[in-house]
Amino acid sequence: AQSVTQLDSHVSVSEGTPVLLRCNYSSSYSPSLFWYVQHPNKGLQLLLKYTSAATLVKGINGFEAEFKKSETSFHLTKPSAHMSDAAEYFCVVSLSGNTPLVFGKGTRLSVIA
Amino acid sequence: EPEVTQTPSHQVTQMGQEVILRCVPISNHLYFYWYRQILGQKVEFLVSFYNNEISEKSEIFDDQFSVERPDGSNFTLKIRSTKLEDSAMYFCATTMDREEETQYFGPGTRLLVL
Repeated sequence: AQSVTQLDSHVSVSEGTPVLLRCNYSSSYSPSLFWYVQHPNKGLQLLLKYTSAATLVKGINGFEAEFKKSETSFHLTKPSAHMSDAAEYFCVVSLSGNTPLVFGKGTRLSVIA
Repeated sequence: EPEVTQTPSHQVTQMGQEVILRCVPISNHLYFYWYRQILGQKVEFLVSFYNNEISEKSEIFDDQFSVERPDGSNFTLKIRSTKLEDSAMYFCATTMDREEETQYFGPGTRLLVL
């Protein structure tokens, strides 16, 4: 069975400082991994995805994530936080196409001016 | 950019009432999903739908739930007799084809059962 653990329910950073949102996964097979972001009153927007190609994945808005199989991690990073990054972030795992996504509980990112 | 849309954005209903949540998928997408998120909990899979039938469903998706695509555009989730514990955010998601892993989500419907 697959599962995802997001280690922090809330992360607060100052504007212009780095962002690190942590995610660990458990899967019996080689999974696909995603980060989705949800801004208030908006849908879940795909930030980036890993599907067994390059282990360092670049996404939108300057975010990137690194797949580390040995650590079963897929942490999301950004060098410099912007106020508009404040949102809820979900780490998600998928076994293959057309299978249900398995979500982490989410991490709320606050950015302080 | 094409988007998945959902209506209503919010719904308040009395326990025991029927509700229908609507989703308009991206036009060339063929696979449809419903997920829900109870406040403070994880987003959970409910059901997937392809070619006018259910592909897969979770334990949550019991006889009180049904899905259909009645007019070839709207994809609906019906809860026959709502319970207090059905209060949640309900998300619709769609993908283009069987091989596509990226699911595109709508903004959700917040359902409150009183």
